Amino acid sequence: NAGVTQTPKFQVLKTGQSMTLQCAQDMNHEYMSWYRQDPGMGLRLIHYSVGAGITDQGEVPNGYNVSRSTTEDFPLRLLSAAPSQTSVYFCASSYSASSSGANVLTFGAGSRLTVL
Amino acid sequence: AQSVTQPDIHITVSEGASLELRCNYSYGATPYLFWYVQSPGQGLQLLLKYFSGDTLVQGIKGFEAEFKRSQSSFNLRKPSVHWSDAAEYFCAVVLAGNNRKLIWGLGTSLGVNP
Repeated sequence: NAGVTQTPKFQVLKTGQSMTLQCAQDMNHEYMSWYRQDPGMGLRLIHYSVGAGITDQGEVPNGYNVSRSTTEDFPLRLLSAAPSQTSVYFCASSYSASSSGANVLTFGAGSRLTVL
Repeated sequence: AQSVTQPDIHITVSEGASLELRCNYSYGATPYLFWYVQSPGQGLQLLLKYFSGDTLVQGIKGFEAEFKRSQSSFNLRKPSVHWSDAAEYFCAVVLAGNNRKLIWGLGTSLGVNP
């Protein structure tokens, strides 16, 4: 099992450029989410999805878009990158969106994004 | 506001020594409790979780944690630390019934001296 796969691992953007961080899971997990990790700020939830066709905002959604057309994929789009979006991004999934096990998360290895 | 506190930003122990990482939460009701570990350059991995029942839970890699309701704590312990345990450790909490809102601590960085 590959688990949760994120691409790319590293990316450098210029301010105003757009890009998509890819996330795919092969565990048939209902729930998928995107976090950003910044020094001193911990993990902050950007967007999440409880199933194909359903997405919702987390704590820090501004500047990011998501979609969930299939169970497997949950891409994160930066429409117009800003230096404040320099961070490490993690995709995470769990098998259930509604049970007590919903927060038993499997994480990808992360994508380090630098916006100049 | 609901919060999770990990009082120690960084801890260094000698290999073979015992370890306790602290986690306190501010909720009125009993939450679900988690410890995750992040090795350098990697994503987070679940170490253990507490939902209900026995307040001493066993996890992977020889770790255990004890839920103490009276102290609102969920401290992580290991009797003998290995050099490979050097990592960042995160405590997380979700209020029972509100499955989507994971509240994360800021993490404790563990160093291990040979």
